[in-house]
Amino acid sequence: KAGVTQTPRYLIKTRGQQVTLSCSPISGHRSVSWYQQTPGQGLQFLFEYFSETQRNKGNFPGRFSGRQFSNSRSEMNVSTLELGDSALYLCASSYGQGLTNEKLFFGSGTQLSVL
Amino acid sequence: TQLLEQSPQFLSIQEGENLTVYCNSSSVFSSLQWYRQEPGEGPVLLVTVVTGGEVKKLKRLTFQFGDARKDSSLHITAAQPGDTGLYLCAGANDYKLSFGAGTTVTVRA
Repeated sequence: KAGVTQTPRYLIKTRGQQVTLSCSPISGHRSVSWYQQTPGQGLQFLFEYFSETQRNKGNFPGRFSGRQFSNSRSEMNVSTLELGDSALYLCASSYGQGLTNEKLFFGSGTQLSVL
Repeated sequence: TQLLEQSPQFLSIQEGENLTVYCNSSSVFSSLQWYRQEPGEGPVLLVTVVTGGEVKKLKRLTFQFGDARKDSSLHITAAQPGDTGLYLCAGANDYKLSFGAGTTVTVRA
């Protein structure tokens, strides 16, 4: 089974631009969640999608948005980029029945640098 | 504010030594998970603990979940250089994880 695939692997943008990151979950997984990882804040939950619906959202400004397609693939978008948005953005997938007894599989991430 | 506090932040030991990483929470979660992350990669799940007082063993790794389900520990016996990495604990509720800041473990050969 192929793992979670994130593209692109690296991105360099300038302040004020917008960016779209892509995530393809493991085949059969219907839940996709996004996390931001920075040296200062660690891993922070952004949002989670299941069957094209956002079920849960973290405490991030509205500049951060996402969506999920009917094939479970997901994209996240960050508009009006700020220097503080520089981070590793991780996508994770699961079957979507709840994380108490379910495994979450992470991709290798997209490293975003904002100059 | 982190819901989960991990200690220590950094740990450097010699191959063959033992180590323990602690994770304390101000909240109760439906489960607590431990991950290891290597540079340039996403976290990889090591174990999930659900029941208070639970102990799980994974080869040289032993995971404990406190009776009140608010604290956990990861103990590695006879550490090897391959154990080097960032160890993260995470509390699970419904469909999201709240992560601790992580413990960077370096095992010197």
